[in-house]
Amino acid sequence: AQSVTQPDIHITVSEGASLELRCNYSYGATPYLFWYVQSPGQGLQLLLKYFSGDTLVQGIKGFEAEFKRSQSSFNLRKPSVHWSDAAEYFCAVGTAGGSYIPTFGRGTSLIVHP
Amino acid sequence: DAGVIQSPRHEVTEMGQEVTLRCKPISGHDYLFWYRQTMMRGLELLIYFNNNVPIDDSGMPEDRFSAKMPNASFSTLKIQPSEPRDSAVYFCASSLRGFNTGELFFGEGSRLTVL
Repeated sequence: AQSVTQPDIHITVSEGASLELRCNYSYGATPYLFWYVQSPGQGLQLLLKYFSGDTLVQGIKGFEAEFKRSQSSFNLRKPSVHWSDAAEYFCAVGTAGGSYIPTFGRGTSLIVHP
Repeated sequence: DAGVIQSPRHEVTEMGQEVTLRCKPISGHDYLFWYRQTMMRGLELLIYFNNNVPIDDSGMPEDRFSAKMPNASFSTLKIQPSEPRDSAVYFCASSLRGFNTGELFFGEGSRLTVL
């Protein structure tokens, strides 16, 4: 079965600084990978997704993520963080066909200092 | 489109009471998911439907939990009897053609507190 690890429970950055949130997955075949964001009191919203092709994917709100098969990682990045980016970020992995059980990581809480 | 609509947004009840959470998916979406979010366990998939038919309910914690989807525009998650450990935020999400090929659209959640 697939699994997702987000090793950082909290990340604190200053506004304007760069950001990288880590995500590692465990899955035997090529995974489908996703990043979602959850603002306080809201549901999750898709930031970006990787199915195949270019390993660097662009998402909404200026975010990007890079799929590295050798490292089983799908880290989320943003060159300059805005105060409105403060939220909970979830990495998720899905399987290509077969058993249809999507798995989310535990989430990383992003705190942005002015 | 109004998005996924969940009700109630907040529910406070006493142990032993029946709780019913409701969800209206986005029109035209053929998959519906129920998730539970807690600090201890994170985001857990409880059950999902395809074309109103339950496909996988292996995440439903126990027989006290039940979910139905009588038509394409409505689903319920029922807990009877409720227990304090059921306190969580329950999310409904819908998608077109499922999780792997498309985006999940989440509702704003129903925060349940069982005293």
